Amino acid sequence: GAGVSQSPSNKVTEKGKDVELRCDPISGHTALYWYRQSLGQGLEFLIYFQGNSAPDKSGLPSDRFSAERTGGSVSTLTIQRTQQEDSAVYLCASSLAGGSRTYEQYFGPGTRLTVT
Amino acid sequence: GNSVTQMEGPVTLSEEAFLTINCTYTATGYPSLFWYVQYPGEGLQLLLKATKADDKGSNKGFEATYRKETTSFHLEKGSVQVSDSAVYFCALVQGAQKLVFGQGTRLTINP
Repeated sequence: GAGVSQSPSNKVTEKGKDVELRCDPISGHTALYWYRQSLGQGLEFLIYFQGNSAPDKSGLPSDRFSAERTGGSVSTLTIQRTQQEDSAVYLCASSLAGGSRTYEQYFGPGTRLTVT
Repeated sequence: GNSVTQMEGPVTLSEEAFLTINCTYTATGYPSLFWYVQYPGEGLQLLLKATKADDKGSNKGFEATYRKETTSFHLEKGSVQVSDSAVYFCALVQGAQKLVFGQGTRLTINP
């Protein structure tokens, strides 16, 4: 079956512009996660959705970052007024329903964001 | 909070050598433990996992045992191949929460 897909695969933007990154999870996966992979910081958690709700936003680095999920499926991560330190690969992952049981997270190929 | 400490890299070995990448963790309760691999130009893939103490995860000749007494989950392979060259990440998760990753270890295998 189809895996997690992300678009665009690459994005180059000028400092100060807004960007939107999209994630399409595996069908039927109610949990969705955003992570960021950068040279200096490794792999960092950003936000977790269960359905359309975000019970854990603790990893969002500033109020310039926001995310939403609609219809329990597609998610969009928005970065406003981009800065050079936002340059990274943004990864999306999805898994089956959470609760107390742990399910495997499946990762998308990522969006490489470069802020010039 | 939860954390994962992973063996510093990069690691360079010859083909058919024995591999160990150390991983230790700090967590409250009983997390599930994972090794993810990122091959050049590709996304993160789950390599193996263990969900409770003394479980052994294995895949593609790699193994790791969940050791609660030493809070460790070291990755081992008896005979590495050039195709094993990649970045390896140790990670933990509790319930439906976020994955907490180690810093990654870049492995290069020379023919």
